[in-house]
Amino acid sequence: NAGVTQTPKFQVLKTGQSMTLQCAQDMNHEYMSWYRQDPGMGLRLIHYSVGAGITDQGEVPNGYNVSRSTTEDFPLRLLSAAPSQTSVYFCASSYSTGEAFFGQGTRLTVV
Amino acid sequence: DQQVKQNSPSLSVQEGRISILNCDYTNSMFDYFLWYKKYPAEGPTFLISISSIKDKNEDGRFTVFLNKSAKHLSLHIVPSQPGDSAVYFCAAPDQQGAQKLVFGQGTRLTINP
Repeated sequence: NAGVTQTPKFQVLKTGQSMTLQCAQDMNHEYMSWYRQDPGMGLRLIHYSVGAGITDQGEVPNGYNVSRSTTEDFPLRLLSAAPSQTSVYFCASSYSTGEAFFGQGTRLTVV
Repeated sequence: DQQVKQNSPSLSVQEGRISILNCDYTNSMFDYFLWYKKYPAEGPTFLISISSIKDKNEDGRFTVFLNKSAKHLSLHIVPSQPGDSAVYFCAAPDQQGAQKLVFGQGTRLTINP
């Protein structure tokens, strides 16, 4: 049982480039979310989804897009990377109640 | 506005002693709290939770205490073991959505042999 799988684990981008961070879960969870972790700031919610076809913004959504075409997948798109988006990104999934399960993270550096 | 705060960035404890990690919150609407543990280069993993209808929840060496009047919760680890060295986050679901978690800044716990 893989749980939540994120790819890639590491990525270096140049300012202005775009990319997609992949997230897949095999637990049939309704909810999926993207967080970023920055030093001294804990994890902050970027976007979330309560089911296929439904997404909404979190605390820090600017510069990111998401879509949820299937229950399993929830990709995060960086439209035009900026140095401020250098961070560690975590995808999570859960049922409507209980704890969230996190992927191993993607460490992104924008130069 | 930080709704969940962990004011101690780090904590160092001797192996076998008690570790106490603290967390404060400002939003009185929060009614469920979770603790996550994070090792380097890994995602957070769920440790223990507590509902606001309780003031204590215990799971093996881990106990979480909730003081609603003070808007304060704490995680006790007894006895502390070297494998407990990690960053600990407290979190609460945003009132608007059960799984929109609001996290504290984290406390790095180091257990010394």
